[in-house]
Amino acid sequence: EVQLVESGGGLIQPGGSLRLSCAASGFTVSSNYMSWVRQAPGKGLEWVSVIYSGGSTYYADSVKGRFTISRDNSKNTLYLQMNSLRAEDTAVYYCARDRNYPPVRHGMDVWGQGTTVTVSS
Amino acid sequence: EIVMTQSPATLSVSPGERATLSCRASQSVSSNLAWYQQKPGQAPRLLIYGASTRATGIPARFSGSGSGTEFTLTISSLQSEDFAVYYCQQYNNWPRGTFGGGTKVEIK
Repeated sequence: EVQLVESGGGLIQPGGSLRLSCAASGFTVSSNYMSWVRQAPGKGLEWVSVIYSGGSTYYADSVKGRFTISRDNSKNTLYLQMNSLRAEDTAVYYCARDRNYPPVRHGMDVWGQGTTVTVSS
Repeated sequence: EIVMTQSPATLSVSPGERATLSCRASQSVSSNLAWYQQKPGQAPRLLIYGASTRATGIPARFSGSGSGTEFTLTISSLQSEDFAVYYCQQYNNWPRGTFGGGTKVEIK
């Protein structure tokens, strides 16, 4: 079964750091494009970051320079290192298999259940 | 940034009726548009990609149409499990895909 399971969320003070994990099963993370998407409480979805199968990474302007996406091929796991956290980073963070890249253009077809990050003093 | 605007914000529909949801892009996104369904406490679920292609396992009562800047998701006969929030997402300027604000489909 194709599945993503996130972990690592929690309550953190402003300025702190947190690392989210996303363990995949049923497919290989390193052979796919993988994204993080977040959802602030009561709000819509916001794309955060992507890592290409080739290893290139991209970030939303709102997190550039503070967040780092990476993966561990031996563990088939995706990560999101979040530094200098702000109150506005409070959200549920989802990892997703991203098949929106050209020429495939097939949507984000596998999602994790999400992990909650709360930034507050 | 391409801004996606969904309307209405809330749609009240009776079971068995048709629901029509709209999504507008601030500039052309060709057919690079997806629709997702999200139920409370759950992750989004891919329904439609390429503006009109149903994802694997999605019932035929869900259909998508449109291109350029105007898109529509139609649910032909609402079932109880279809009451949820629906988001459109453009990925024409991938990886910086942007989502709409969502349409909540509620029971009338």
